[in-house]
Amino acid sequence: QKEVEQNSGPLSVPEGAIASLNCTYSDRGSQSFFWYRQYSGKSPELIMSIYSNGDKEDGRFTAQLNKASQYVSLLIRDSQPSDSATYLCAVNPNSGAGSYQLTFGKGTKLSVIP
Amino acid sequence: NAGVTQTPKFQVLKTGQSMTLQCAQDMNHNSMYWYRQDPGMGLRLIYYSASEGTTDKGEVPNGYNVSRLNKREFSLRLESAAPSQTSVYFCASSQTGAALHFGNGTRLTVT
Repeated sequence: QKEVEQNSGPLSVPEGAIASLNCTYSDRGSQSFFWYRQYSGKSPELIMSIYSNGDKEDGRFTAQLNKASQYVSLLIRDSQPSDSATYLCAVNPNSGAGSYQLTFGKGTKLSVIP
Repeated sequence: NAGVTQTPKFQVLKTGQSMTLQCAQDMNHNSMYWYRQDPGMGLRLIYYSASEGTTDKGEVPNGYNVSRLNKREFSLRLESAAPSQTSVYFCASSQTGAALHFGNGTRLTVT
């Protein structure tokens, strides 16, 4: 059973602070990693994808991947109340036939306090 | 720029009734998916279609059937609805191995 683990939260941070969201995965052969944001009652929205070890930055968001530790994280700098949502980590287990079966974590609920 | 369009947005069924959820994408993606999302369970894959003409089971296929009508359209059918199928259903599409793009979801209640 391929697993993706996230702390369910809620994670509360003050406005302007850095929010750090973490995700671990069980399949060492995983190739692709994604972070989705889901507002209550809405569909998941892709915010970051990362494929190789290291950091990837996009505006206020930074995704970090460490394949040796099987760990991927999302940092949100200068957090805003509009960032309050549930963040889903998704992992593509491997290439070939498995590349169609993304495994999702259960999500971390982030609350940014004004 | 429609992306992935799902219909209906809401549906209430009685146990034993059938229905089909429709999904269409205009991004020329090869792959399409049906997920369900339940509180505390996260997103779980029901069925997927890697490309036009193929369909495969995901994690929770029991009680569902799918049809990949053409490259754009992928439908999900509940032949005999059960209360355990009360959930939010999301259709998604992607290029192979790439990120998923989700529709707005269908909230289904089975009484």
